[in-house]
Parts: sequence; structure tokens; C-alpha cells
Amino acid sequence: LAKTTQPISMDSYEGQEVNITCSHNNIATNDYITWYQQFPSQGPRFIIQGYKTKVTNEVASLFIPADRKSSTLSLPRVSLSDTAVYYCLVGDKEDDKIIFGKGTRLHILP
Amino acid sequence: GAGVSQSPSNKVTEKGKDVELRCDPISGHTALYWYRQSLGQGLEFLIYFQGNSAPDKSGLPSDRFSAERTGGSVSTLTIQRTQQEDSAVYLCASSAPGPAYNEQFFGPGTRLTVL
Repeated sequence: LAKTTQPISMDSYEGQEVNITCSHNNIATNDYITWYQQFPSQGPRFIIQGYKTKVTNEVASLFIPADRKSSTLSLPRVSLSDTAVYYCLVGDKEDDKIIFGKGTRLHILP
Repeated sequence: GAGVSQSPSNKVTEKGKDVELRCDPISGHTALYWYRQSLGQGLEFLIYFQGNSAPDKSGLPSDRFSAERTGGSVSTLTIQRTQQEDSAVYLCASSAPGPAYNEQFFGPGTRLTVL
């Protein structure tokens, strides 16, 4: 399984765009890149998934360069409620063991 | 429809006692996962079920931990002779079959406290 590396924590301010980058140098051909968000006292929830280039939904955008060795989750105009832990995962449907790392603890300041 | 449910939501037990944690996945979801999360830490994978079988149990921290799934639905995680280091939130997730890496839907978790 490809291992991911992401910053332990980040601070930003309300209204700013936040970019969280995840490194996955050993990503395999069949692997997808998936991001989850976890609020305190809740289970993680799916945010976005992509394979290459750019994916956008109502919550975030995911940028994946051509070599796919990294990905960047972009949160536009964050608010205090975006304070959470964000996890980057890499894998395919054949993976039995899904590895969540420590994630990135994002703290939005007023 | 209903999401993943877990029971109990909170469990306080004494060291040495056995506990059972239950997970009800979303109907039709064939894959079921158990994770453990200690305070301020990331998720620790414990075990994964595809249907009723568990291809990989290597995430279970010790032989005091076991899990089963019956009827391709409800799963029970059992911890025998609980220790204080077992205190954590135990999360269950399920996912549906599909062509790609599939979204996991998480339950609210069971907060286990071992005194």
C-alpha cells in the first residue's frame, strides 16, 4: 500500500483558501486518492476522490499532478466550521487494509 | 436511509472485564471495517470484512481482540480481559461494492473507557 505523508497541523483564517498537500510517492497505477474530514467526536466523512488532474465538488477541489506522487486538497473560503482533521488515503478496491494516517489538524481562526 | 449505527455509544468497564461492541452497517454494504482512535490520534485499522470473511486480521492489537460478522450484516468486536490501554473510540465503517476504491461510511463510534 502506498504510504501518505501530510502536515501534522495547519492554521488559517476565515475567508482564506486552504491548501493541504499529501505526498504519496509509491502510488500504484490502480490507486485512487481519497480525502476524508473528521470533526471532533464524529467519524470521518468522505470529502472528495480523484485519480488524476482536477476534481471539484461542492465542498472542495482536488489537484493531482501528472506523476500522481502528491495531491492537494483545496478548501475555498474556509469558515470556523471547517476546523477538523483531514486525512489523505491512497488505495484501490482490492486493498484489504485501509490506512488512515494521523491526518492534518486544520484550525481556522476568526 | 439509515447510516451506520454502533452500540453502545459509551461503555465504561473495569479492567479485566470483557466487552462487546456492535456495528450495524448500511444495508447492502458488503465491506465492513473496524478502527480504533485514541484521544488526539489518527485512526488505527483493526480488521476488515468482505461479506462474513475477514481476509486480514493482522491489525488486531492482541489475541484479546476478536471480531465476527454474521449474515453479511451486523458485526461484533469483542475485547476480552480489557486493559486500560484499550480505552479509545472504536469506529465502524461500511462500504458498497463498486468499480473503484469505495467511500467508507462511518458510524458515530463507541467510546470505551477501561477503569
